[in-house]
Amino acid sequence: SAVISQKPSRDICQRGTSLTIQCQVDSQVTMMFWYRQQPGQSLTLIATANQGSEATYESGFVIDKFPISRPNLTFSTLTVSNMSPEDSSIYLCSWASGIGLEQFFGPGTRLTVL
Amino acid sequence: AQKITQTQPGMFVQEKEAVTLDCTYDTSDPSYGLFWYKQPSSGEMIFLIYQGSYDQQNATEGRYSLNFQKARKSANLVISASQLGDSAMYFCASDEDAGKSTFGDGTTLTVKP
Repeated sequence: SAVISQKPSRDICQRGTSLTIQCQVDSQVTMMFWYRQQPGQSLTLIATANQGSEATYESGFVIDKFPISRPNLTFSTLTVSNMSPEDSSIYLCSWASGIGLEQFFGPGTRLTVL
Repeated sequence: AQKITQTQPGMFVQEKEAVTLDCTYDTSDPSYGLFWYKQPSSGEMIFLIYQGSYDQQNATEGRYSLNFQKARKSANLVISASQLGDSAMYFCASDEDAGKSTFGDGTTLTVKP
């Protein structure tokens, strides 16, 4: 299966700034997703990253706060904008080879906002 | 939307013994998939096992097996011969349309030596 990497692995940021997280897959994949995992909690889907079109956001997440790019079938970015301490989480990207199939996750980005 | 319930926030098991982690799901879709993932303290999510709603037999992957009871809407994970390295958070998940997954709240498993 395709190997997925994320950069940065962790970061500490100041309130009001923005951070862009990169997700790279070593082969072309159709479906890519971005999740947030707040401390001690489960994973919550932020959006589906669609190649060549705008991302599809889940309820409670908006493009202005979490802009996503998907320029090709191997790469996506998630930006966490105008950060507050409540944004401190692990952010994970994942890919799936098809509907109903397992997802493979990147190693995650641990974000701390001061 | 689908809902996944994991009622065990934490579980303990003695090394080399078997343990069952509970998962129930709620969906009206006739076709769905159920997954289990392991998340060690490092934070990575590791896919363990998959069960399709139309699969006749329970899924198995090495020491992992899935006790799938469709009528009861349960998909419990059984880990046999527990090892210290099995200590982690375990998440049950189901697929939704367009490949998205819904995750349960997770169960923290601690394996005692």
